[in-house]
Amino acid sequence: DAKTTQPNSMESNEEEPVHLPCNHSTISGTDYIHWYRQLPSQGPEYVIHGLTSNVNNRMASLAIAEDRKSSTLILHRATLRDAAVYYCILIPVAAAGNKLTFGGGTRVLVKP
Amino acid sequence: NAGVMQNPRHLVRRRGQEARLRCSPMKGHSHVYWYRQLPEEGLKFMVYLQKENIIDESGMPKERFSAEFPKEGPSILRIQQVVRGDSAAYFCASSVRFSQETQYFGPGTRLLVL
Repeated sequence: DAKTTQPNSMESNEEEPVHLPCNHSTISGTDYIHWYRQLPSQGPEYVIHGLTSNVNNRMASLAIAEDRKSSTLILHRATLRDAAVYYCILIPVAAAGNKLTFGGGTRVLVKP
Repeated sequence: NAGVMQNPRHLVRRRGQEARLRCSPMKGHSHVYWYRQLPEEGLKFMVYLQKENIIDESGMPKERFSAEFPKEGPSILRIQQVVRGDSAAYFCASSVRFSQETQYFGPGTRLLVL
């Protein structure tokens, strides 16, 4: 399975944007890029996913590099509630089972 | 629409006892996944089930662990003869179908083995 590399942690001030990078240099053409986050003492929750084009939803934006070897999750205005561990996960399009392989993720700290 | 439900939320067992963890997927979801999260670590996939079928159990320990998802009722993760190393948070997720479908996670069951 293709691996992802993320920084261990990032800090942000409340109301400011947060850019979370993810490197996936061994990504294959059929891998989708998914982001999940895990708030303290909770189960993970889906954030966003994409294949080649940038994606936006109510939670975040996903910017995917043209060569797809990296991507960036953008939280436009961080709130205290966004403090969580963010995971970047690659899933092949025809995966049998769609099991999620979680790496270490990036722990985001939001300062008031 | 209720989310994924797991019970119990907390479970304490002594070494050698059995632990049964239950997961009710979201309404309309027929795919269930179990993950384990050891303290201060990321989640690790254990098993993927559809109704009455185990599809992928590549992440399950070979001994003492079993999982089922019967035609009726919740999915069950069963750990026999628990040991201290089994202490972890166990999360269940469900999806409508596999391959790019969002997985919805439950709140987890925190198992503590004394």
